Amino acid sequence: DVKVTQSSRYLVKRTGEKVFLECVQDMDHENMFWYRQDPGLGLRLIYFSYDVKMKEKGDIPEGYSVSREKKERFSLILESASTNQTSMYLCASSSTLAKNIQYFGAGTRLSVL
Amino acid sequence: AQSVTQLGSHVSVSEGALVLLRCNYSSSVPPYLFWYVQYPNQGLQLLLKYTTGATLVKGINGFEAEFKKSETSFHLTKPSAHMSDAAEYFCAVIRMDSSYKLIFGSGTRLLVRP
Repeated sequence: DVKVTQSSRYLVKRTGEKVFLECVQDMDHENMFWYRQDPGLGLRLIYFSYDVKMKEKGDIPEGYSVSREKKERFSLILESASTNQTSMYLCASSSTLAKNIQYFGAGTRLSVL
Repeated sequence: AQSVTQLGSHVSVSEGALVLLRCNYSSSVPPYLFWYVQYPNQGLQLLLKYTTGATLVKGINGFEAEFKKSETSFHLTKPSAHMSDAAEYFCAVIRMDSSYKLIFGSGTRLLVRP
């Protein structure tokens, strides 16, 4: 089974802090995604990576950056956390062969105080 | 622009009753359509998908969905709800500009009453 692991289930940070959310997948998938999930808004794509060191902005990249130094790991970075970034963050991965099917981690619930 | 609309943010059914979760999409090209389920405190899991071919698609846990082009719909059904079906359900469509990316609906939370 594909496993996508997000390092933290819950995080509490203060306004202005730099925050790192980590995601690791064990299926050698080329593609990785970071989403933000808010009630009534569904999932919105923050960033997408289709290869190591390659990244592409999604729909809501402002205030976020990403890093993909190794194929299995995709990090989401909040350069200076703000209260409006309080949300659930979901990581996903997919293979190029079965690119339509995304596999999700359990999510990280981030609270910015 | 492509979009996905899920009618009803909350749907409540009795155990054993029919489940019907509605999804309408807009796309100027033949769509690839998906239903994902999110159980409490978990990530999303693929229930079923439609790409081409048979318009009635069967998924896991007894769910199925029918692609109706004339109605631009992809509603999710299950004949008999079980308590374990309580979850949030998301409809999604592949983006035209990149087949790697999905556009998700806002989600429907299914409540199952004993």
